[in-house]
Amino acid sequence: DAGVIQSPRHEVTEMGQEVTLRCKPISGHNSLFWYRQTMMRGLELLIYFNNNVPIDDSGMPEDRFSAKMPNASFSTLKIQPSEPRDSAVYFCASSYMNTEAFFGQGTRLTVV
Amino acid sequence: GESVGLHLPTLSVQEGDNSIINCAYSNSASDYFIWYKQESGKGPQFIIDIRSNMDKRQGQRVTVLLNKTVKHLSLQIAATQPGDSAVYFCAESRTALIFGKGTTLSVSS
Repeated sequence: DAGVIQSPRHEVTEMGQEVTLRCKPISGHNSLFWYRQTMMRGLELLIYFNNNVPIDDSGMPEDRFSAKMPNASFSTLKIQPSEPRDSAVYFCASSYMNTEAFFGQGTRLTVV
Repeated sequence: GESVGLHLPTLSVQEGDNSIINCAYSNSASDYFIWYKQESGKGPQFIIDIRSNMDKRQGQRVTVLLNKTVKHLSLQIAATQPGDSAVYFCAESRTALIFGKGTTLSVSS
């Protein structure tokens, strides 16, 4: 298995633009998580899905952030409009039942 | 509030020494804990886990200890190597992983 696949690896965009981050979880995993990592705040859980259903989105910073999981093999995290303070590394992770989560390589987002 | 934290942000050791990285958690209802290693430019990588019905678990060169009385978790790395240099996170799993801030381990030759 190729593991959790995220795209793009790097994204540079201008303030106000829409950004879409993509994730393909490990096949057979039923939980998917989106995290954001910054030096100041560490690894923050944004949202997680169980069997494609959003369970807890209390970590989503504000309405500019949205996430979808249309099927078991794909999820997106969208920021519209983006702001410089959204600059961070965004990780997607997946797991099966209540076991360890496997992380993707992350998307480094820079908003200028 | 509920949180997972680490006692020290950095730890420097000599190659061959044993390393101990500590973590405190606050939710006594937590039943699953994981240690992750993160190298520069990569995502966190699973090292070892432990459930609350255990107090010790060993892997290859790593041992995790869980003290539920004081809500403390530790990761021990035996014979630390330069390749162990990374940021180490403890995570508490309820329905999703909640991470602490991380400890940067530096190993010098």
